Amino acid sequence: QQQVRQSPQSLTVWEGETAILNCSYENSAFDYFPWYQQFPGEGPALLIAIRSVSDKKEDGRFTIFFNKREKKLSLHITDSQPGDSATYFCAASGIASSSFSKLVFGQGTSLSVVP
Amino acid sequence: GPKVLQIPSHQIIDMGQMVTLNCDPVSNHLYFYWYKQILGQQMEFLVNFYNGKVMEKSKLFKDQFSVERPDGSYFTLKIQPTALEDSAVYFCASRSGTNTGQLYFGEGSKLTVL
Repeated sequence: QQQVRQSPQSLTVWEGETAILNCSYENSAFDYFPWYQQFPGEGPALLIAIRSVSDKKEDGRFTIFFNKREKKLSLHITDSQPGDSATYFCAASGIASSSFSKLVFGQGTSLSVVP
Repeated sequence: GPKVLQIPSHQIIDMGQMVTLNCDPVSNHLYFYWYKQILGQQMEFLVNFYNGKVMEKSKLFKDQFSVERPDGSYFTLKIQPTALEDSAVYFCASRSGTNTGQLYFGEGSKLTVL
């Protein structure tokens, strides 16, 4: 059972464009949604995160839009740069429900930014 | 930022042998995790560990798997015996005692079982 789903699987944008990465989830108990960025050969690193009490979180060129009713969220990367080329994982946890909450990851979106 | 160190970065072993993957979590972190990733795909939760005990494990955490952190040293994942399907990159992660949910990941230990 895939609790967190991401689309598209891969995405190519031109430098300067906005990349939109989508994520949906099934478990209503999830209330914390981080996005991780992973470069080849490295571990995932936290990029930006949102809690379910908010519908938008912005950090520089990265913005999360969150729709609790539809159980969907998206990561927008504006003015995409070649250095943004990486795999992006949407994750979820029920942070409020347990101190031992684990993160459930989506399958990832591989982003390529073409100069 | 905070660093999680993993040793070894890559290990090749024969099927049936034992392997121990070591993790040095962020100092003062209290919660520790192992994740498995195959071919750069989805990160799959294996186990989390707190106060010397396994708190939760997934179905991927087979009987051949074990974790421990003796006397605050390395947090280890041991597989004995290994199987071909254990080939993957294993990521260790840790987080503090505050309920923020932010996991810090190591760079992974790539395990190849022949």
